[in-house]
Amino acid sequence: ETGVTQTPRHLVMGMTNKKSLKCEQHLGHNAMYWYKQSAKKPLELMFVYNFKEQTENNSVPSRFSPECPNSSHLFLHLHTLQPEDSALYLCASSQEYFSYEQYFGPGTRLTVT
Amino acid sequence: SQQGEEDPQALSIQEGENATMNCSYKTSINNLQWYRQNSGRGLVHLILIRSNEREKHSGRLRVTLDTSKKSSSLLITASRAADTASYFCATVAVDGGTSYGKLTFGQGTILTVHP
Repeated sequence: ETGVTQTPRHLVMGMTNKKSLKCEQHLGHNAMYWYKQSAKKPLELMFVYNFKEQTENNSVPSRFSPECPNSSHLFLHLHTLQPEDSALYLCASSQEYFSYEQYFGPGTRLTVT
Repeated sequence: SQQGEEDPQALSIQEGENATMNCSYKTSINNLQWYRQNSGRGLVHLILIRSNEREKHSGRLRVTLDTSKKSSSLLITASRAADTASYFCATVAVDGGTSYGKLTFGQGTILTVHP
């Protein structure tokens, strides 16, 4: 248990659906991250929030929309996804922006049909 | 090739043996971190070594860093079946003279420890 929770753990959605992934950290950290992990590819950083402000958008398609209402919660809103978006989506947090070790949630396994 | 490349891609050993994984990177770093990931789960931070450190220990883990060769190694001694997982190195690059750089992951080494 790392102190970072993600829901749901598994999600199957059609290409026309809209869904949201949720991440919550109980560690009092100031920075939160979304990563995408696809088979046989390195972890890809998607978004970074530092003190609730988005500081990084790694050229992520607009069908992925992040939201950070406060420093403990992070959402990833999904709409009109493609089958190649199927992956494990990992949320992480760290005490400060990038400089410290990151604590990861268990991930959401997303399948787009 | 990518920053933070692990070698070998896969390693299979018997319980009780030592496992050594290597990581190479390309840019100057502030620190290098090792993470473990059990199948389909989140990553767990194992150890962080700063650019001015050469060796660090944590339990059965030993990490070395050679900044002149831009490489690091992770040694797991007396391995157990529970050590079966993927291991990733990740680097925090030095950016424009500051220490606030991105954490970049390699593709990982899949370690299998047979009972």
